[in-house]
Amino acid sequence: QKEVEQDPGPLSVPEGAIVSLNCTYSNSAFQYFMWYRQYSRKGPELLMYTYSSGNKEDGRFTAQVDKSSKYISLFIRDSQPSDSATYLCASPRSQGGSEKLVFGKGTKLTVNP
Amino acid sequence: GAVVSQHPSWVICKSGTSVKIECRSLDFQATTMFWYRQFPKQSLMLMATSNEGSKATYEQGVEKDKFLINHASLTLSTLTVTSAHPEDSSFYICSAQVGTSGSDTQYFGPGTRLTVL
Repeated sequence: QKEVEQDPGPLSVPEGAIVSLNCTYSNSAFQYFMWYRQYSRKGPELLMYTYSSGNKEDGRFTAQVDKSSKYISLFIRDSQPSDSATYLCASPRSQGGSEKLVFGKGTKLTVNP
Repeated sequence: GAVVSQHPSWVICKSGTSVKIECRSLDFQATTMFWYRQFPKQSLMLMATSNEGSKATYEQGVEKDKFLINHASLTLSTLTVTSAHPEDSSFYICSAQVGTSGSDTQYFGPGTRLTVL
């Protein structure tokens, strides 16, 4: 079982829809969770960063963490064509005295005008 | 703030040649830099972690003699793909981090697309 599982999609929605992106993880030691957005042929950019269980909101984006079920979600309200990108969830894992990000496969989202 | 640049953005080379990719943190000093490889429709795979002034730590399965990493200063790390072959064609992305904890934010560069003919 991979440490971070993410449905690769693709996911296609109409403009204005609410989008739900999800990941599950298997490592109970994971404490922090990030969501990155990656446009085609570009590097990822950090969208949201959460630590504890619960919700964190930033504009149209809400990150949700449920540590009891090892489930993390990213919700996008009033989705726009500019939100079309691949969304990656990630969590740092301690290894050999350092910490490294473990990424999900990414979900490709297309928002149609 | 927190801008990371990569150069070149796209490189095409012949099989057997070496290619150097630069990663720079433009407005901050990066204690740690990471190099990733991403194949089409795949997620980022960590290749190595480098700290300024010390040898890079490579992930299992990554050949350290083929992918040479130099982290000469707190703002510059280079990845050299030696004797490149077509299977090395990929999207190489670096990231820079201020601290060494996984909770410290990694800022990613725009990536370098390598095509080996």
